[in-house]
Amino acid sequence: GQQVMQIPQYQHVQEGEDFTTYCNSSTTLSNIQWYKQRPGGHPVFLIQLVKSGEVKKQKRLTFQFGEAKKNSSLHITATQTTDVGTYFCAGDSGGGADGLTFGKGTHLIIQP
Amino acid sequence: EAQVTQNPRYLITVTGKKLTVTCSQNMNHEYMSWYRQDPGLGLRQIYYSMNVEVTDKGDVPEGYKVSRKEKRNFPLILESPSPNQTSLYFCASSPQERRTEAFFGQGTRLTVV
Repeated sequence: GQQVMQIPQYQHVQEGEDFTTYCNSSTTLSNIQWYKQRPGGHPVFLIQLVKSGEVKKQKRLTFQFGEAKKNSSLHITATQTTDVGTYFCAGDSGGGADGLTFGKGTHLIIQP
Repeated sequence: EAQVTQNPRYLITVTGKKLTVTCSQNMNHEYMSWYRQDPGLGLRQIYYSMNVEVTDKGDVPEGYKVSRKEKRNFPLILESPSPNQTSLYFCASSPQERRTEAFFGQGTRLTVV
């Protein structure tokens, strides 16, 4: 079945530093989604990427979808303490009904 | 307000005592699913449902049952809970035709002793 690998598992940064998490799928994806889960909270949708090579920005967050639609990245510029949490990618193969396959997430820890 | 509501939020139970975690959504979504979240393992899908009376197994269905008698409700049933089912459970819904944004419930933290 489809597998989605996400690295790193943990990332410690100083406040103000940049952060990147990477996601790789074993199969070509129809789309990829990114979610953020604050400590003690539930996953919250951030964005969906659909097109090959697509790049989307949300303020300090930049999302990319690879040309082959098998990998993606989330980059945060100048991290803030409010960015703390776990970031998940979730791939949709587009076929069948089994929905999203989540990566294991990257825990972002920010030191003031 | 659009939301997915799970109950209870916290539950401690004993091995073998049947329990049900309820999930309800008010967005008229066709697609609903259950996940469990464990440290180091991320979110793993237990069961999903494409619409009323249509359910199917996800990646980790053993020990769980679900039903979808109404569009808005998707309860998760543990007939005989065991300690390895101690976990954080999330229900989610999304509009099937768009296969897009999944809305998650607040989560249910289950402890089986």
